[in-house]
Amino acid sequence: NAGVTQTPKFQVLKTGQSMTLQCAQDMNHEYMSWYRQDPGMGLRLIHYSVGAGITDQGEVPNGYNVSRSTTEDFPLRLLSAAPSQTSVYFCASRNMEPTLHFGNGTRLTVT
Amino acid sequence: DAKTTQPPSMDCAEGRAANLPCNHSTISGNEYVYWYRQIHSQGPQYIIHGLKNNETNEMASLIITEDRKSSTLILPHATLRDTAVYYCVYNFNKFYFGSGTKLNVKP
Repeated sequence: NAGVTQTPKFQVLKTGQSMTLQCAQDMNHEYMSWYRQDPGMGLRLIHYSVGAGITDQGEVPNGYNVSRSTTEDFPLRLLSAAPSQTSVYFCASRNMEPTLHFGNGTRLTVT
Repeated sequence: DAKTTQPPSMDCAEGRAANLPCNHSTISGNEYVYWYRQIHSQGPQYIIHGLKNNETNEMASLIITEDRKSSTLILPHATLRDTAVYYCVYNFNKFYFGSGTKLNVKP
């Protein structure tokens, strides 16, 4: 199984540009979430979803949009990128068991 | 917010037990405590979880105080590969990872 797949692995954006970070899982997990991790810091929850059509905010949702039209996919949209959004972004999924399965991350730089 | 408090760093000699504490004083009665670790810049990996009783698996042991306001993760025989950042979290839908504890296992 592929598990949780994040694309792209690396991305450089200019301030004001928009982009979508992709996250897909093939484990039929209902729960999916997005985290960001700044250098030397822990992970902070951006948004999460408990199933298709249901999303909610985490700690740091401002500047990010999400939607969940299918069980498999949970894209994260940056509408107008800012340097403060330079970070590593992790997507994670699980079912009812407590084991969050993480992707390998997307390293985003905003100049 | 489901915040936890952990020491920023700890050292441990290889082969010795590593005891990592976590304070989670705002946890509610039916919430589990979960422990994860992050090696280098990979995504965090699940280690263990518990509610009230002490738990053990092939990776670690988890000791939860009777009042459930704190817990300790025990790696019984730490190896160099256990060098990582360790996080304790709770709140099933909103895991707040915080800054964790950087465990340095030294030869």
